[in-house]
Amino acid sequence: NAGVTQTPKFRILKIGQSMTLQCTQDMNHNYMYWYRQDPGMGLKLIYYSVGAGITDKGEVPNGYNVSRSTTEDFPLRLELAAPSQTSVYFCASSYAASGRQFFGPGTRLTVL
Amino acid sequence: DAKTTQPPSMDCAEGRAANLPCNHSTISGNEYVYWYRQIHSQGPQYIIHGLKNNETNEMASLIITEDRKSSTLILPHATLRDTAVYYCTLAMDSNYQLIWGAGTKLIIKP
Repeated sequence: NAGVTQTPKFRILKIGQSMTLQCTQDMNHNYMYWYRQDPGMGLKLIYYSVGAGITDKGEVPNGYNVSRSTTEDFPLRLELAAPSQTSVYFCASSYAASGRQFFGPGTRLTVL
Repeated sequence: DAKTTQPPSMDCAEGRAANLPCNHSTISGNEYVYWYRQIHSQGPQYIIHGLKNNETNEMASLIITEDRKSSTLILPHATLRDTAVYYCTLAMDSNYQLIWGAGTKLIIKP
């Protein structure tokens, strides 16, 4: 199993540009999550999904959108990039609603 | 605000036990304590979790006080590869939301 994979690893965006961060898991997990981590801080939940077709907001959803058309994929969309979105983004999954989550390697995003 | 409080940094000698404390004085009855670690800004890695009883697995032991207001993660024989940021988080088992603080940066010294 590859576990949770994320692409790209690094990305630099200009203010106002858009992009999609990709996340895929091969563990047949129903629950998937997107977090962001700012330097020296813990993780903050952006969006989560409890299954295909079902998504909901987390703690910091503004400026982001998600979709979940399959069990495996959970892309995160940034529509109008802002410098405040400079961060490391982690995708995670879990078998059930649980604190035991499996994390991807992260995407480091810089908005200039 | 984070529901857990941890010291920002700790040192430990290689081969010794590393004891990482966490305060969670406002924990509710159905909240579990979860521990994760993050090595070199990689994705966090699950270590262990517990509700009220002490727990042990191949990576670590978790000691939770009887009043559940604090806990200690124990790495019994620390190695250099255990150098990481360790996070103590809380979650209800029916709730996916982990609340993360800033963690403890553990440095294992040769």
